[in-house]
Formats: sequence, C-alpha cells, structure tokens
Amino acid sequence: KNQVEQSPQSLIILEGKNCTLQCNYTVSPFSNLRWYKQDTGRGPVSLTIMTFSENTKSNGRYTATLDADTKQSSLHITASQLSDSASYICVVSDRGSTLGRLYFGRGTQLTVWP
Amino acid sequence: EADIYQTPRYLVIGTGKKITLECSQTMGHDKMYWYQQDPGMELHLIHYSYGVNSTEKGDLSSESTVSRIRTEHFPLTLESARPSHTSQYLCASSPAPGGGYEQYFGPGTRLTVT
Repeated sequence: KNQVEQSPQSLIILEGKNCTLQCNYTVSPFSNLRWYKQDTGRGPVSLTIMTFSENTKSNGRYTATLDADTKQSSLHITASQLSDSASYICVVSDRGSTLGRLYFGRGTQLTVWP
Repeated sequence: EADIYQTPRYLVIGTGKKITLECSQTMGHDKMYWYQQDPGMELHLIHYSYGVNSTEKGDLSSESTVSRIRTEHFPLTLESARPSHTSQYLCASSPAPGGGYEQYFGPGTRLTVT
C-alpha cells in the first residue's frame, strides 16, 4: 500500500532556531517528492520538488533532502521566522499512472514562537 | 502565486441545502482536481478531470458531483448537504498529465453544515 508518513506530528521552536522535519514513504514506482507549506485556512504552496536523481534541493531557508534508496526525505528550515508557522506536507507522486497521482502525508504542524 | 480561485472561502449552511463550490483557473491547465481535507489529516482526492467533458471519481468516495464544461471552470456540487460534509475542500490544477508536473492549489473552501 502506498503511504507517506511524517514526523514529528507537531513541533514548537523558538524564532531563529533551525529544525528538521522527516518523511518516510512506500510509494512505488517513485516519480518525485514534494514538500508543501500550508498556512492555516489556505491551500498548500509548493516549496521543493525532487526527482529520483536529486538528493538535495534548496529554496531560500528551506533545504530538502532525498534518499531514494531508504525512501526517506527531510526538510530543514534554517533561522526560523514567525511566518514559518504552518503545516509542512510531504507529497509523493508515483510513476505508474497518467493521472499524476499524489500521496499526501498528514503534515507536521510547526509553530515558531518569538 | 498560482492563478486558481475558489469561492466562497467560507460557507455555513443548513442540512438539506444544495450548494456549489466554485473553482476557476486562468492558467489554461487541462488537469483539475478536488481534494477534501479534515483538520490534521491528509488531503484525499475526491474528483479529477483530464479536460473538458472529462470527470472521474477519486480515491475517497464522495456524494458530491463535478462538471467540466469549460477548461477554466471546475465546480463541485452537493445536492443535499449533511453535517458529515463539513470539511475543507481544495481545488487544484496542473498543466499536463503525469506526476512530474506541479499541482497548484486554490485557497480552499471551508464548509460547515449545521
């Protein structure tokens, strides 16, 4: 069964600190992995997308890593800001359908305190 | 920022009423999707469309229906709303088939059925 598991479920950090969010998946055949940021009451916004051959990708203070062998990904946030408070969702796409089927994790709820 | 819009953003309605959630995009994307998301849970695909006059049911069974008469418009209808329909509904679009393409999400409609 194709699944995406994220940890931790929630995280509280102080402004300026770094943090790392984890994602494990069993989706096969693998196409790509994305990290989305979802603010409360809003739709998800893409942060990074990585294919099988990419093992790291950065977007400003966000750096995602991918280990396709162990089927793990992480999202590292550097020098956190209050605006980073949101849910971070790991999404994996399979190669087996023309639909572009996405498998969503439940997200990590990050709260940044001043 | 993606050009995909949803209205209304919030809707509180009584049981038994008929409702239509609007979704439109100005990017000319062929693929469009409807997702349902409960608090703290992953997104579930309920409907998708490959293009005009194409609609399919997603992974999660839903009593809602959709139509795709124009490329830019993908409304979702509930003939008789029930409290179990209370949820957030997210619309998305992508430029082409296949999992390698980005999905762009609208801001969502938060539906509450009393």
